[in-house]
Amino acid sequence: AQSVTQLDSHVSVSEGTPVLLRCNYSSSYSPSLFWYVQHPNKGLQLLLKYTSAATLVKGINGFEAEFKKSETSFHLTKPSAHMSDAAEYFCVVSEGSTLGRLYFGRGTQLTVWP
Amino acid sequence: GAVVSQHPSRVICKSGTSVKIECRSLDFQATTMFWYRQFPKQSLMLMATSNEGSKATYEQGVEKDKFLINHASLTLSTLTVTSAHPEDSSFYICSARDTRRLHTGELFFGEGSRLTVL
Repeated sequence: AQSVTQLDSHVSVSEGTPVLLRCNYSSSYSPSLFWYVQHPNKGLQLLLKYTSAATLVKGINGFEAEFKKSETSFHLTKPSAHMSDAAEYFCVVSEGSTLGRLYFGRGTQLTVWP
Repeated sequence: GAVVSQHPSRVICKSGTSVKIECRSLDFQATTMFWYRQFPKQSLMLMATSNEGSKATYEQGVEKDKFLINHASLTLSTLTVTSAHPEDSSFYICSARDTRRLHTGELFFGEGSRLTVL
């Protein structure tokens, strides 16, 4: 069975400081993993994805995530937060392959203080 | 990039009326589209998978007669909330896969439609 756990419902950082959004997953198969960002009253935008290639994945807007199979984790990081990064972030796992059913984490609300 | 357009972005209706929400892939073809419902400060809940030219596949607990889905073309899927009630008020989001880029696994999301039933 697949599941996604986002360990923090809310993360607050100051502008210019690092961001860490944590995600753990469970999957019976080799998973495909995604991070999406959602701004208020908007749809979701893909930040980055892991599909069994390089374990360190670089995405848009300076975000990156590392797939760690031994820890079943796919944490999202950014070296320096910007005010525009404030949004809701969803970790998503795809069942079996990139075309499989998607399982969404509950989301992490990122607040960036000036 | 691939764009998915949802319309309307906001709709307010009276209890008992029906509301149709459209989801269009503007620059790609989508054999499959997905409809989600999102409650405040919660994650997305998959309601149904919409397949072009065939019946939608509904998730357990989702009433198919309440939430009518039609996917008549490769670029358009519609969700009709029939006899809407206040508990149907929610944010509805659609997504689609580009038929030519299925191997990427990427989903393209619409901007969502906020339904308020009075």
